[in-house]
Amino acid sequence: EAEVAQSPRYKITEKSQAVAFWCDPISGHATLYWYRQILGQGPELLVQFQDESVVDDSQLPKDRFSAERLKGVDSTLKIQPAELGDSAMYLCASSSDRAFYGYTFGSGTRLTVV
Amino acid sequence: DAKTTQPPSMDCAEGRAANLPCNHSTISGNEYVYWYRQIHSQGPQYIIHGLKNNETNEMASLIITEDRKSSTLILPHATLRDTAVYYCIVLSQGAQKLVFGQGTRLTINP
Repeated sequence: EAEVAQSPRYKITEKSQAVAFWCDPISGHATLYWYRQILGQGPELLVQFQDESVVDDSQLPKDRFSAERLKGVDSTLKIQPAELGDSAMYLCASSSDRAFYGYTFGSGTRLTVV
Repeated sequence: DAKTTQPPSMDCAEGRAANLPCNHSTISGNEYVYWYRQIHSQGPQYIIHGLKNNETNEMASLIITEDRKSSTLILPHATLRDTAVYYCIVLSQGAQKLVFGQGTRLTINP
């Protein structure tokens, strides 16, 4: 079964440092999403791509977060500088254009900012 | 998209049917009910979805009331591996953005 790949699986960084997460969606999936999940809460959408274009980044803290999907395939989410409150699970998901099939999520990157 | 209400937690004995309720009283005619679950330290996983008819697949059954204001996800023979947070989400046709609530934390006890 095809999977969404994410790396690293775990990341510990000091506050004020830069950190980056990588996601490789299922082949052929045009839509890619980054979610953030704080412990005990449901995932919150940060940014949505359709191919290489940003469709929705209304919840992305743009002063410190950036996301790109240059060739419309894999994607990188960056935080600079990291703050203590950024500690969370960062989840990537992809979907085909047919929403009825739902999303496929990766296993996420667990970020701890110290 | 319509909002949903779920109990924060539930318990079920292993081997018994787990029935997870979801209230979506403001659902509109073209909105589907989706269920996802999230096992600890993994990403959410799609389970099932439906519009107005009851649905069944290899994972679960979805029962939607006639007025569509509520639904129940049924895991017919729960196992310890079904322990997870279950999210009920309402999506309009063609929508491509999942909005998660708090979900129900289901614990299957041996």
